[in-house]
Amino acid sequence: SAVISQKPSRDICQRGTSLTIQCQVDSQVTMMFWYRQQPGQSLTLIATANQGSEATYESGFVIDKFPISRPNLTFSTLTVSNMSPEDSSIYLCSADGQGIYGYTFGSGTRLTVV
Amino acid sequence: AQTVTQSQPEMSVQEAETVTLSCTYDTSENNYYLFWYKQPPSRQMILVIRQEAYKQQNATENRFSVNFQKAAKSFSLKISDSQLGDTAMYFCAFMKQGIRDDKIIFGKGTRLHILP
Repeated sequence: SAVISQKPSRDICQRGTSLTIQCQVDSQVTMMFWYRQQPGQSLTLIATANQGSEATYESGFVIDKFPISRPNLTFSTLTVSNMSPEDSSIYLCSADGQGIYGYTFGSGTRLTVV
Repeated sequence: AQTVTQSQPEMSVQEAETVTLSCTYDTSENNYYLFWYKQPPSRQMILVIRQEAYKQQNATENRFSVNFQKAAKSFSLKISDSQLGDTAMYFCAFMKQGIRDDKIIFGKGTRLHILP
């Protein structure tokens, strides 16, 4: 299955600033997914990113707040814009495991907004 | 819409014991996949076991096995001979079959503590 490198692993940011999270996959994958996991909670899908097209956002998430890029089949970024303390969460990217049902995940980014 | 329900927020068992985590789901789909993911304190999501809905035989991976009851829409995870390293959050998850790029829907999770 694919291996995903996600960075940064953690960051502490000032409110009103933006943070870009990167995910690099070691093989080409069709779709990548971005999830948010608030403390002690389950994973909530933010958006689905397909190479060469705009990301598809889930209800409650908008492109202005969480712009996503997918420039090629091995890379994607998620930006958390104009951050507030409510954005403090773990953000995870995931990708199709190329023929293995189920998805592999990056190691997550723990974001704290102060 | 599909939903996944895990009714046990937290569980504790002694090392070497067997533990069963419950999961029910709701869907109108006939073809789908079910998964159990493990998330230790490191945050890494690890696929533990998967089950294709069209297969009647329950999936098994070493000490991990499932009890899949399609009619009852139940998908429990049994961990045998539990080990300290099994301490983690466990998520039951659902994905429709046929659309390879479809999203995975997660339950709220069960926090499992293995006690020495």
